[in-house]
Amino acid sequence: DGGITQSPKYLFRKEGQNVTLSCEQNLNHDAMYWYRQDPGQGLRLIYYSQIVNDFQKGDIAEGYSVSREKKESFPLTVTSAQKNPTAFYLCASRSPAFHTDTQYFGPGTRLTVL
Amino acid sequence: QQQVKQSPQSLIVQKGGISIINCAYENTAFDYFPWYQQFPGKGPALLIAIRPDVSEKKEGRFTISFNKSAKQFSLHIMDSQPGDSATYFCAAPARLSFGAGTTVTVRA
Repeated sequence: DGGITQSPKYLFRKEGQNVTLSCEQNLNHDAMYWYRQDPGQGLRLIYYSQIVNDFQKGDIAEGYSVSREKKESFPLTVTSAQKNPTAFYLCASRSPAFHTDTQYFGPGTRLTVL
Repeated sequence: QQQVKQSPQSLIVQKGGISIINCAYENTAFDYFPWYQQFPGKGPALLIAIRPDVSEKKEGRFTISFNKSAKQFSLHIMDSQPGDSATYFCAAPARLSFGAGTTVTVRA
């Protein structure tokens, strides 16, 4: 059963802590993405990766870091430098099929700072 | 910066009514126009998409209308049902920008 998995579903962080959100896909997609979702603001791009060992900053990369050591995995670390990390985080991957350009999303991780 | 501008922010419709959501874009190089549907606490999922070589695409009760000259594309939900209550997003075909979202509430 192909798809994207994210873990954990809920995550609580204390002030000053770094936390890592997991994203795994078995769709054989090259491109993967991280978005942040806040109420009323839609989806904002944090980082994206087109191929293994390469990634680019999105619109709101400050306070976040990523790695792409394997095609299947694209973990996101929320660092203590991110001042307002409480949000819903979504990982996605993209179908490479010509002219479809579809993104497939995981179920999300809700991060709360205590 | 958003490459697509979506409206309205929210709408309420009675069961059986029509919901219409609009999306305007700037970049005429775009060649794929998707709409995503998201239920609370879940990730978005592709609902329907259109390419600019057609002006309309229908899948069940969902229709995309594309107006190339106006640089707009719209989602129409016909015979709206309570199960359609969700947030809908249009996306820039570059996949790096989404509209702000429209929360649709269907009242029984």
